[in-house]
Amino acid sequence: AQSVTQLDSHVSVSEGTPVLLRCNYSSSYSPSLFWYVQHPNKGLQLLLKYTSAATLVKGINGFEAEFKKSETSFHLTKPSAHMSDAAEYFCVVTLYSGAGSYQLTFGKGTKLSVIP
Amino acid sequence: NAGVTQTPKFRILKIGQSMTLQCAQDMNHNYMYWYRQDPGMGLKLIYYSVGAGITDKGEVPNGYNVSRSTTEDFPLRLELAAPSQTSVYFCASSRQGYYEQYFGPGTRLTVT
Repeated sequence: AQSVTQLDSHVSVSEGTPVLLRCNYSSSYSPSLFWYVQHPNKGLQLLLKYTSAATLVKGINGFEAEFKKSETSFHLTKPSAHMSDAAEYFCVVTLYSGAGSYQLTFGKGTKLSVIP
Repeated sequence: NAGVTQTPKFRILKIGQSMTLQCAQDMNHNYMYWYRQDPGMGLKLIYYSVGAGITDKGEVPNGYNVSRSTTEDFPLRLELAAPSQTSVYFCASSRQGYYEQYFGPGTRLTVT
């Protein structure tokens, strides 16, 4: 069975310092991986995606993530946090489960706080 | 493009009432999804559809029903509302199952 684990439920950083949000997955197949961001009382917005092309993926707003198959990880990073990055972030894994069907699994989310 | 739209934004229901949450997308996507989001629990898939006329259960389908008569619309029906259905509901769509999903703004539902 596939699963997604976001290793931190809450991360707090100072403005201008690096951000690291950690995500590990378990899967028997090559997954598609996504990071989404959710600002308070808003829907989810796609930050970036990995779909078996380059292992280092660049997204919007200066975020990037690296797919590491040997570590089954897809951590999200940003060199310098901005106040507007304060939000909840979700790691998502999509796997093909046969017969034209896909299984999507969301992590439980990491809430990012940015201290001025 | 409006993307994915949901109505209503907020709703309060009494126990035992029924309602339909509306979802529409104008991107001609084949796949559509309904999720519920509870605090600290991430998103749980309720139902999904791979095209008009085809729907299937997700992780938490009990107490809900869906239909997909057109590509654009994917309403979610709550029959006999219960307090456990208090949640934020999100509709999403994607071109194919392994593509990124686009989310609507959500419907906040309270059952009292």
